Amino acid sequence: GQQLNQSPQSMFIQEGEDVSMNCTSSSIFNTWLWYKQDPGEGPVLLIALYKAGELTSNGRLTAQFGITRKDSFLNISASIPSDVGIYFCAGQLRLTGGGNKLTFGTGTQLKVEL
Amino acid sequence: DAGVIQSPRHEVTEMGQEVTLRCKPISGHDYLFWYRQTMMRGLELLIYFNNNVPIDDSGMPEDRFSAKMPNASFSTLKIQPSEPRDSAVYFCASIKGGLPYNEQFFGPGTRLTVL
Repeated sequence: GQQLNQSPQSMFIQEGEDVSMNCTSSSIFNTWLWYKQDPGEGPVLLIALYKAGELTSNGRLTAQFGITRKDSFLNISASIPSDVGIYFCAGQLRLTGGGNKLTFGTGTQLKVEL
Repeated sequence: DAGVIQSPRHEVTEMGQEVTLRCKPISGHDYLFWYRQTMMRGLELLIYFNNNVPIDDSGMPEDRFSAKMPNASFSTLKIQPSEPRDSAVYFCASIKGGLPYNEQFFGPGTRLTVL
């Protein structure tokens, strides 16, 4: 199946540093999402973007929905140890019945050094 | 709410055996999704149901995989016979359709190891 290209694949940063990751697709999506997955758990939604060009913040997280609707980026400011995990972007398509279907990116593994 | 519940959390089996993974979606949610996660292929959608009816099973790898949803509160993913390449983490997710902004909630996953 289709996957979104996400970069970087992994990051090893120091506590307090800012982090940036991005996601690109050959297809247009009407919603972009960013999830975080902790070890042994399922992905948890961090931020949702619903309009092309939209810039949304959630605490230390900031994400943007690209104008072409084919890309998105996520920034984490002032990283802390609990930011460790795998971050996934996901493109969402609405289904006719009112649900949605997700296509996930390849993931970015974030490691934070104290 | 208890969230999406999956069982077992871990399953180790031998090649050729039948494996059944179980999922209880969040009450009131009318969509249920099964995903598989591997290092090589990432998170892949296998199948999804709407109102207990399978809508799109194009992600199911092959005939050895089957999924059912006998009622709104229970779904199974069965692999028969299992093979080592089926080793992965299988996630179930659910959503309530029809809302302006709706989020897929994921269960904790079942880690399957086929020896």
